[in-house]
Amino acid sequence: QKEVEQNSGPLSVPEGAIASLNCTYSDRGSQSFFWYRQYSGKSPELIMSIYSNGDKEDGRFTAQLNKASQYVSLLIRDSQPSDSATYLCAVWSSASKIIFGSGTRLSIRP
Amino acid sequence: GAVVSQHPSWVICKSGTSVKIECRSLDFQATTMFWYRQFPKQSLMLMATSNEGSKATYEQGVEKDKFLINHASLTLSTLTVTSAHPEDSSFYICSARVGGNTDTQYFGPGTRLTVL
Repeated sequence: QKEVEQNSGPLSVPEGAIASLNCTYSDRGSQSFFWYRQYSGKSPELIMSIYSNGDKEDGRFTAQLNKASQYVSLLIRDSQPSDSATYLCAVWSSASKIIFGSGTRLSIRP
Repeated sequence: GAVVSQHPSWVICKSGTSVKIECRSLDFQATTMFWYRQFPKQSLMLMATSNEGSKATYEQGVEKDKFLINHASLTLSTLTVTSAHPEDSSFYICSARVGGNTDTQYFGPGTRLTVL
Protein backbone atom coordinates (compact mmCIF):
# COMPACT_ATOMS: atom_id res chain seq x y z
CA GLN A 1 0.00 0.00 0.00
CA LYS A 2 1.33 3.41 -0.96
CA GLU A 3 1.68 5.90 1.85
CA VAL A 4 -0.35 8.54 0.01
CA GLU A 5 -2.72 7.46 -2.73
CA GLN A 6 -4.42 9.50 -5.39
CA ASN A 7 -6.30 8.64 -8.55
CA SER A 8 -3.94 9.55 -11.38
CA GLY A 9 -6.76 10.72 -13.64
CA PRO A 10 -7.08 12.49 -15.91
CA LEU A 11 -10.15 13.99 -14.34
CA SER A 12 -12.13 16.00 -16.87
CA VAL A 13 -14.54 18.62 -15.59
CA PRO A 14 -16.55 21.19 -17.55
CA GLU A 15 -15.77 24.84 -16.97
CA GLY A 16 -17.82 26.29 -14.14
CA ALA A 17 -18.42 22.93 -12.46
CA ILE A 18 -16.99 21.61 -9.19
CA ALA A 19 -13.83 19.51 -9.40
CA SER A 20 -13.38 17.00 -6.60
CA LEU A 21 -9.96 15.54 -5.90
CA ASN A 22 -9.43 12.76 -3.37
CA CYS A 23 -6.52 11.38 -1.40
CA THR A 24 -6.03 8.68 1.22
CA TYR A 25 -3.04 8.18 3.49
CA SER A 26 -1.75 5.31 5.58
CA ASP A 27 0.10 6.94 8.50
CA ARG A 28 -2.43 7.47 11.31
CA GLY A 29 0.09 9.66 13.12
CA SER A 30 0.03 12.31 10.39
CA GLN A 31 -1.11 15.74 11.54
CA SER A 32 -0.49 18.08 8.60
CA PHE A 33 -1.96 17.82 5.14
CA PHE A 34 -1.37 19.85 2.02
CA TRP A 35 -2.56 20.28 -1.54
CA TYR A 36 -0.12 21.50 -4.16
CA ARG A 37 -0.79 22.44 -7.76
CA GLN A 38 1.84 21.71 -10.41
CA TYR A 39 1.71 22.99 -13.94
CA SER A 40 3.66 21.08 -16.56
CA GLY A 41 7.35 21.91 -16.39
CA LYS A 42 6.95 23.96 -13.22
CA SER A 43 7.53 23.25 -9.55
CA PRO A 44 4.65 22.63 -7.11
CA GLU A 45 2.77 25.57 -5.68
CA LEU A 46 1.05 25.35 -2.29
CA ILE A 47 -2.71 25.82 -2.51
CA MET A 48 -4.08 24.69 0.83
CA SER A 49 -2.96 23.31 4.16
CA ILE A 50 -5.29 21.65 6.65
CA TYR A 51 -4.60 20.34 10.13
CA SER A 52 -8.00 19.71 11.75
CA ASN A 53 -10.95 17.55 10.83
CA GLY A 54 -13.60 19.31 8.80
CA ASP A 55 -13.58 21.83 6.01
CA LYS A 56 -11.26 24.73 5.29
CA GLU A 57 -12.21 27.22 2.61
CA ASP A 58 -10.01 29.66 0.72
CA GLY A 59 -11.64 31.37 -2.22
CA ARG A 60 -12.76 28.77 -4.73
CA PHE A 61 -10.87 26.02 -2.92
CA THR A 62 -12.13 23.89 -0.04
CA ALA A 63 -10.00 21.26 1.66
CA GLN A 64 -11.70 18.54 3.66
CA LEU A 65 -10.03 16.30 6.22
CA ASN A 66 -11.31 13.17 7.92
CA LYS A 67 -8.59 11.68 10.10
CA ALA A 68 -10.73 8.73 11.18
CA SER A 69 -11.10 7.67 7.56
CA GLN A 70 -7.57 8.87 6.67
CA TYR A 71 -9.01 10.87 3.83
CA VAL A 72 -8.28 14.31 2.43
CA SER A 73 -10.06 16.01 -0.43
CA LEU A 74 -9.91 19.22 -2.41
CA LEU A 75 -12.92 20.84 -4.01
CA ILE A 76 -12.50 23.49 -6.68
CA ARG A 77 -15.65 25.50 -7.31
CA ASP A 78 -16.38 27.36 -10.53
CA SER A 79 -13.57 25.51 -12.30
CA GLN A 80 -11.58 27.56 -14.78
CA PRO A 81 -9.34 26.40 -17.65
CA SER A 82 -6.40 27.81 -15.69
CA ASP A 83 -7.11 25.20 -13.01
CA SER A 84 -5.97 22.50 -15.43
CA ALA A 85 -2.87 21.04 -13.77
CA THR A 86 -1.67 18.14 -11.68
CA TYR A 87 -2.76 18.31 -8.06
CA LEU A 88 -0.50 16.72 -5.48
CA CYS A 89 -1.75 15.59 -2.10
CA ALA A 90 0.97 15.73 0.55
CA VAL A 91 1.08 14.45 4.10
CA TRP A 92 3.59 15.35 6.77
CA SER A 93 4.48 11.95 8.11
CA SER A 94 5.58 10.91 11.58
CA ALA A 95 9.03 10.40 10.02
CA SER A 96 9.36 14.20 9.74
CA LYS A 97 9.12 14.50 6.00
CA ILE A 98 6.41 15.19 3.50
CA ILE A 99 5.11 12.25 1.55
CA PHE A 100 3.57 13.12 -1.80
CA GLY A 101 0.94 11.26 -3.72
CA SER A 102 1.55 10.60 -7.39
CA GLY A 103 -0.84 13.38 -8.33
CA THR A 104 -4.17 13.71 -10.12
CA ARG A 105 -4.23 15.33 -13.54
CA LEU A 106 -7.18 17.70 -13.79
CA SER A 107 -8.44 18.98 -17.13
CA ILE A 108 -11.07 21.71 -17.29
CA ARG A 109 -12.85 21.65 -20.61
CA PRO A 110 -14.35 24.92 -21.91
CA GLY B 1 3.91 32.74 1.09
CA ALA B 2 7.61 32.30 1.66
CA VAL B 3 9.97 32.61 -1.31
CA VAL B 4 12.52 30.01 -2.30
CA SER B 5 14.90 30.53 -5.19
CA GLN B 6 17.05 28.12 -7.14
CA HIS B 7 20.01 28.73 -9.36
CA PRO B 8 20.54 27.95 -12.14
CA SER B 9 17.07 27.45 -13.59
CA TRP B 10 18.49 25.22 -16.30
CA VAL B 11 21.88 23.78 -17.08
CA ILE B 12 23.38 21.66 -19.84
CA CYS B 13 26.62 19.87 -19.16
CA LYS B 14 28.85 17.21 -20.64
CA SER B 15 28.89 13.71 -19.26
CA GLY B 16 31.45 13.32 -16.47
CA THR B 17 31.32 16.89 -15.24
CA SER B 18 29.87 18.08 -11.93
CA VAL B 19 27.00 20.50 -11.53
CA LYS B 20 26.12 22.55 -8.45
CA ILE B 21 22.56 23.72 -7.79
CA GLU B 22 21.81 26.33 -5.16
CA CYS B 23 18.62 26.64 -3.14
CA ARG B 24 17.99 29.77 -1.12
CA SER B 25 15.21 30.81 1.24
CA LEU B 26 14.87 34.53 0.55
CA ASP B 27 12.69 35.86 3.35
CA PHE B 28 12.90 33.27 6.08
CA GLN B 29 15.37 30.96 7.74
CA ALA B 30 15.06 27.31 6.86
CA THR B 31 16.58 24.81 9.23
CA THR B 32 15.44 22.05 6.93
CA MET B 33 15.50 21.90 3.16
CA PHE B 34 14.53 19.02 0.92
CA TRP B 35 15.80 17.96 -2.49
CA TYR B 36 13.52 16.27 -4.99
CA ARG B 37 13.95 14.87 -8.46
CA GLN B 38 11.17 14.57 -10.98
CA PHE B 39 11.33 12.72 -14.29
CA PRO B 40 8.84 13.58 -17.05
CA LYS B 41 5.26 12.60 -16.25
CA GLN B 42 6.31 11.14 -12.91
CA SER B 43 5.77 12.28 -9.37
CA LEU B 44 8.24 14.00 -7.11
CA MET B 45 10.86 11.73 -5.63
CA LEU B 46 12.47 12.83 -2.38
CA MET B 47 16.24 12.47 -2.63
CA ALA B 48 17.43 13.82 0.68
CA THR B 49 16.66 15.98 3.67
CA SER B 50 19.17 18.72 4.32
CA ASN B 51 19.58 20.04 7.85
CA GLU B 52 21.59 23.15 8.58
CA GLY B 53 24.91 22.33 10.18
CA SER B 54 24.62 18.56 9.93
CA LYS B 55 24.90 15.81 7.38
CA ALA B 56 22.05 15.29 4.97
CA THR B 57 19.77 12.30 5.30
CA TYR B 58 19.46 10.43 2.03
CA GLU B 59 16.53 8.34 0.90
CA GLN B 60 17.04 4.70 0.12
CA GLY B 61 18.60 4.17 -3.28
CA VAL B 62 20.09 7.68 -3.55
CA GLU B 63 23.90 7.67 -3.75
CA LYS B 64 25.27 10.11 -1.21
CA ASP B 65 28.66 10.23 -2.94
CA LYS B 66 27.07 11.16 -6.24
CA PHE B 67 24.61 13.73 -4.93
CA LEU B 68 26.52 15.88 -2.47
CA ILE B 69 24.42 18.11 -0.27
CA ASN B 70 25.70 20.98 1.83
CA HIS B 71 23.52 23.13 4.09
CA ALA B 72 26.04 25.58 5.48
CA SER B 73 23.64 28.36 6.48
CA LEU B 74 20.01 28.85 7.42
CA THR B 75 19.22 30.23 3.98
CA LEU B 76 21.33 28.16 1.60
CA SER B 77 21.54 24.51 0.64
CA THR B 78 23.47 23.19 -2.35
CA LEU B 79 23.18 19.98 -4.33
CA THR B 80 26.17 18.90 -6.39
CA VAL B 81 25.66 16.20 -8.99
CA THR B 82 29.10 14.67 -9.38
CA SER B 83 30.30 12.95 -12.54
CA ALA B 84 26.93 13.51 -14.18
CA HIS B 85 25.64 11.05 -16.75
CA PRO B 86 22.73 11.30 -19.18
CA GLU B 87 20.51 9.28 -16.83
CA ASP B 88 20.91 12.08 -14.27
CA SER B 89 19.05 14.42 -16.61
CA SER B 90 15.97 15.47 -14.69
CA PHE B 91 14.10 18.31 -13.00
CA TYR B 92 15.65 18.98 -9.59
CA ILE B 93 13.49 20.87 -7.10
CA CYS B 94 14.31 22.03 -3.62
CA SER B 95 11.91 23.00 -0.89
CA ALA B 96 12.32 24.71 2.43
CA ARG B 97 10.40 24.05 5.59
CA VAL B 98 9.09 27.16 7.27
CA GLY B 99 9.07 25.58 10.70
CA GLY B 100 7.53 26.91 13.86
CA ASN B 101 4.01 25.62 14.41
CA THR B 102 3.63 24.64 10.78
CA ASP B 103 5.18 21.93 8.65
CA THR B 104 4.57 23.85 5.45
CA GLN B 105 7.10 23.51 2.67
CA TYR B 106 7.61 26.02 -0.10
CA PHE B 107 9.22 24.94 -3.32
CA GLY B 108 11.86 26.60 -5.42
CA PRO B 109 11.20 26.99 -9.16
CA GLY B 110 13.32 23.97 -10.03
CA THR B 111 16.47 23.36 -12.06
CA ARG B 112 16.32 21.44 -15.30
CA LEU B 113 19.53 19.47 -15.80
CA THR B 114 20.43 18.01 -19.16
CA VAL B 115 23.55 15.87 -19.39
CA LEU B 116 24.84 15.30 -22.89
